Amino acid sequence: DAGVIQSPRHEVTEMGQEVTLRCKPISGHDYLFWYRQTMMRGLELLIYFNNNVPIDDSGMPEDRFSAKMPNASFSTLKIQPSEPRDSAVYFCASSFVGSLETQYFGPGTRLLVL
Amino acid sequence: RKEVEQDPGPFNVPEGATVAFNCTYSNSASQSFFWYRQDCRKEPKLLMSVYSSGNEDGRFTAQLNRASQYISLLIRDSKLSDSATYLCVVGSSGGSYIPTFGRGTSLIVHP
Repeated sequence: DAGVIQSPRHEVTEMGQEVTLRCKPISGHDYLFWYRQTMMRGLELLIYFNNNVPIDDSGMPEDRFSAKMPNASFSTLKIQPSEPRDSAVYFCASSFVGSLETQYFGPGTRLLVL
Repeated sequence: RKEVEQDPGPFNVPEGATVAFNCTYSNSASQSFFWYRQDCRKEPKLLMSVYSSGNEDGRFTAQLNRASQYISLLIRDSKLSDSATYLCVVGSSGGSYIPTFGRGTSLIVHP
């Protein structure tokens, strides 16, 4: 299995631009999580989906952030407009109901907003 | 008070040493507990689950103390390759599952 796939691996953009991060979970996994990691705040859960339905988005920082999961094999996290404080590593993780606590993380997207 | 707290370290130990980390959690209703390992500039990976009775995996031992609301990770005979950040994860239950990660404890094993 290829594991969780994220793209792009690195993104450098200017303040005000739209940023779209992509994730392909492991086939057969029905939970998908988006996290953000910074030195200051550690790993924060932004939102998670079950069977493509958003279950809890209370971690999404503000309206500039949105996430979708149009099908079981694809999810996006969008930031519009981006700000320098959004600079972080964004991880996607997936798991399945039989072992919900075992999350498989993707390699992450390193985002730098100038 | 933060939901999950860890000493950030770093813990600097020589090869062969025994080192232990603790992690405290605030939600007494928490049901599941784990340790993840994160290497520098890599993604977190599950190291081991933590069961009420404690569990051991080779050189690693995890314990849960519900009364005092903490979990621990003991590493015996430390190897250079054990150098990493160890993240404590606590999961709630009943309704929606929300895993909460600690900030992590940094371990540096030196020759």
